[in-house]
Amino acid sequence: QKEVEQDPGPLSVPEGAIVSLNCTYSNSAFQYFMWYRQYSRKGPELLMYTYSSGNKEDGRFTAQVDKSSKYISLFIRDSQPSDSATYLCAMSPGRSWQGGKLIFGQGTELSVKP
Amino acid sequence: NAGVTQTPKFQVLKTGQSMTLQCAQDMNHEYMSWYRQDPGMGLRLIHYSVGAGITDQGEVPNGYNVSRSTTEDFPLRLLSAAPSQTSVYFCASRRTGDSPLHFGNGTRLTVT
Repeated sequence: QKEVEQDPGPLSVPEGAIVSLNCTYSNSAFQYFMWYRQYSRKGPELLMYTYSSGNKEDGRFTAQVDKSSKYISLFIRDSQPSDSATYLCAMSPGRSWQGGKLIFGQGTELSVKP
Repeated sequence: NAGVTQTPKFQVLKTGQSMTLQCAQDMNHEYMSWYRQDPGMGLRLIHYSVGAGITDQGEVPNGYNVSRSTTEDFPLRLLSAAPSQTSVYFCASRRTGDSPLHFGNGTRLTVT
């Protein structure tokens, strides 16, 4: 079983929809949780990160962490065609993000149709 | 400010050939790393370096070699290419402390 599981999709939604992307994990030592966005033929770019449990909001994006359930989510409100990309969750057990030794999910491919 | 630059963008190798994937960053980041991305597997860490002269293995290091002689450069060497090394390779860097990884745009490698 992988340490981090993410539904690969693909997920297709109409413009303006609320999108929910999710990851589950098995390692209770994970404390830092990140979401990366990856456009086609590009490298991943950091979208949001949170430490431990709770919510974090940034514009149309909300990241949620539930450590008791070992479950993290990314919500996108009022989705736009420009949000079409692959979204990867990533997590790390320690501070300083363990020198970048992140564990990534498989990525969910999202398509937002005009 | 170019960020993380990877060359080449594409490469085709025959089984048994060797090659070096180049990675350079101009942000004076101490930490650099190499990942490979395969369908259904996500990104997996190959090797990483916390500074010039210091390297360590990640999750999938076999068949790859790295060195870090300068802060800016972190090349990845394939010693004897195998079809299982067909993948997209990403280099990433960050500064020390709680800072995000900056990724390059990848090298797409096919081994026939």
